Amino acid sequence: DVKVTQSSRYLVKRTGEKVFLECVQDMDHENMFWYRQDPGLGLRLIYFSYDVKMKEKGDIPEGYSVSREKKERFSLILESASTNQTSMYLCASSELGHRGLINYGYTFGSGTRLTVV
Amino acid sequence: DQQVKQNSPSLSVQEGRISILNCDYTNSMFDYFLWYKKYPAEGPTFLISISSIKDKNEDGRFTVFLNKSAKHLSLHIVPSQPGDSAVYFCAASPTKRIGGLTFGEGTQLTVNP
Repeated sequence: DVKVTQSSRYLVKRTGEKVFLECVQDMDHENMFWYRQDPGLGLRLIYFSYDVKMKEKGDIPEGYSVSREKKERFSLILESASTNQTSMYLCASSELGHRGLINYGYTFGSGTRLTVV
Repeated sequence: DQQVKQNSPSLSVQEGRISILNCDYTNSMFDYFLWYKKYPAEGPTFLISISSIKDKNEDGRFTVFLNKSAKHLSLHIVPSQPGDSAVYFCAASPTKRIGGLTFGEGTQLTVNP
């Protein structure tokens, strides 16, 4: 009954590496999101997408990019990983609400804990 | 600037008693509020929501209260159960904006048997 799948549970990468975090949802949702969770800071929005090939910056997009080539898949890319990107990364999806407004029924994946050394 | 704040990092209550988790917000454009629960090694799951046209919403043991003038909301859990032990996140957004939710820092609730 898994609906939002993040490809890796744990990742360890070296500083300067290019890192890909993959997220797939099987609910045919239009909207997809990437958050990071850090102690004392909660969940902070990195990027989101409301349609294929569409992307919008969230609150902390620096050092990240995203790709959405297919509706079900939303990838987060760390162009050159740094130690301050060590975090828990959470992907979420939601369906498009009435009249185009966001439906807030987020479904989250289980998260990827990334450690950059 | 933290637009959604949960000032208590942790809360401990006895089983059967009431748990009250608090959340404050600063953005007056926020008009839709949600609570999510997160267990370790799992993603957050939706718990309950409230629109700004209401001041209370109830779902079983969970009730959310909204005080718009104070920009404050709270989640009441009655009676609390050990299985409620988790991190609770408050979230908010303006409904008429395309974009993600703004989350608070989270409160770790521990319900002791």
